[in-house]
Amino acid sequence: DAGVIQSPRHEVTEMGQEVTLRCKPISGHDYLFWYRQTMMRGLELLIYFNNNVPIDDSGMPEDRFSAKMPNASFSTLKIQPSEPRDSAVYFCASSWSLGQPQHFGDGTRLSIL
Amino acid sequence: TQLLEQSPQFLSIQEGENLTVYCNSSSVFSSLQWYRQEPGEGPVLLVTVVTGGEVKKLKRLTFQFGDARKDSSLHITAAQPGDTGLYLCAGANSNYQLIWGAGTKLIIKP
Repeated sequence: DAGVIQSPRHEVTEMGQEVTLRCKPISGHDYLFWYRQTMMRGLELLIYFNNNVPIDDSGMPEDRFSAKMPNASFSTLKIQPSEPRDSAVYFCASSWSLGQPQHFGDGTRLSIL
Repeated sequence: TQLLEQSPQFLSIQEGENLTVYCNSSSVFSSLQWYRQEPGEGPVLLVTVVTGGEVKKLKRLTFQFGDARKDSSLHITAAQPGDTGLYLCAGANSNYQLIWGAGTKLIIKP
């Protein structure tokens, strides 16, 4: 079975540029989560969707961050404009129900110079 | 704010030794999940414990959920280099949201 697929795996860009991260969840999973992981703060939930609808975006750090899920098989996380402090590994995960085990992608390692 | 505290934050031991890592909270969780994350990859589920006092074994790994469902432990017997990784616990709260611990970074030296 195909797992959660994220792209790109690595992204290096300059401050001020727009960054778009992509995720394809596991088919049949109704929940999709975006996380950010850093050494200092660990794994932080940014936003999650249920049936393509954003449910809780309280973890989104600033208005520079936005996420969409236009259909059940695709989601994006966008940062515009990007800043060096946004450098982190961003994970997408999906699950069939809230509170149930989550399946993670391999992440996007983002470096903002 | 619900918190899950993991200890130790970092552990480096020799192959063959035993170890225990802990996941503690003042909050009650309906279930608790343990994940292992290897470098360059996302966390992967190891086990879910649901019932207070529950013990689950996965080869050399033993997971226990506290009687009050506020804490959990992971014990590894005869650690192997392949056990190296970041171990994360996550508890499902009353809203079924997962609360994540900060993780225990485990290094097993050959």
